[in-house]
Amino acid sequence: EAAVTQSPRSKVAVTGGKVTLSCHQTNNHDYMYWYRQDTGHGLRLIHYSYVADSTEKGDIPDGYKASRPSQENFSLILELASLSQTAVYFCASSDRGTSQNTLYFGAGTRLSVL
Amino acid sequence: TQTVSQSDAHVTVFEGDSVELRCNYSYGGSIYLSWYIQHHGRGLQFLLKYYSGNPVVQGVNGFEAEFSKSDSSFHLRKASVHWSDSAVYFCAVSANNNNRIFFGDGTQLVVKP
Repeated sequence: EAAVTQSPRSKVAVTGGKVTLSCHQTNNHDYMYWYRQDTGHGLRLIHYSYVADSTEKGDIPDGYKASRPSQENFSLILELASLSQTAVYFCASSDRGTSQNTLYFGAGTRLSVL
Repeated sequence: TQTVSQSDAHVTVFEGDSVELRCNYSYGGSIYLSWYIQHHGRGLQFLLKYYSGNPVVQGVNGFEAEFSKSDSSFHLRKASVHWSDSAVYFCAVSANNNNRIFFGDGTQLVVKP
């Protein structure tokens, strides 16, 4: 079965600190995505990647960087964490563009910035 | 840009009732429409999707959705809900020519015993 694993599952960070969220997939999928979910709202796309060593900006990329060192791994980096980045972050993968294929999600990382 | 609207933030029904969760979208071109379910504290899981053909699509656990181009809708239905169906349901839309998927704000479904 498709598997997307996120780490850590939760994190408390200080304002101005650096945060790295990791995602690992064993689906052999080309596409990987980082979404942000705020309480009571849907998901918003931060960054995505369709091949290793390349990332693309999503709809809300400001304040975030992404890294795709291999097909299996996709990281989200907050260089200077801010209070407004408190949210739940989801990683997802798909075997082609989302237009044609199903997204497989990780369990999420709950980030609290204090 | 595609947009998705889920008009009901919360829906409460009793076990065995039927339910319809509403989804309306705006986009003029060819699109993919999907529904996802999110149980508390977990990631989203795919339920079903539509692109073309029969406007009624079947998903897992007895869910189905019907596409209507005239109403710009893709409502999710289930004939008889179970308590385990309690979750948040997200409608999503993506255009045929890009990799962006847009999610609605979700509908919290509560199934009472």
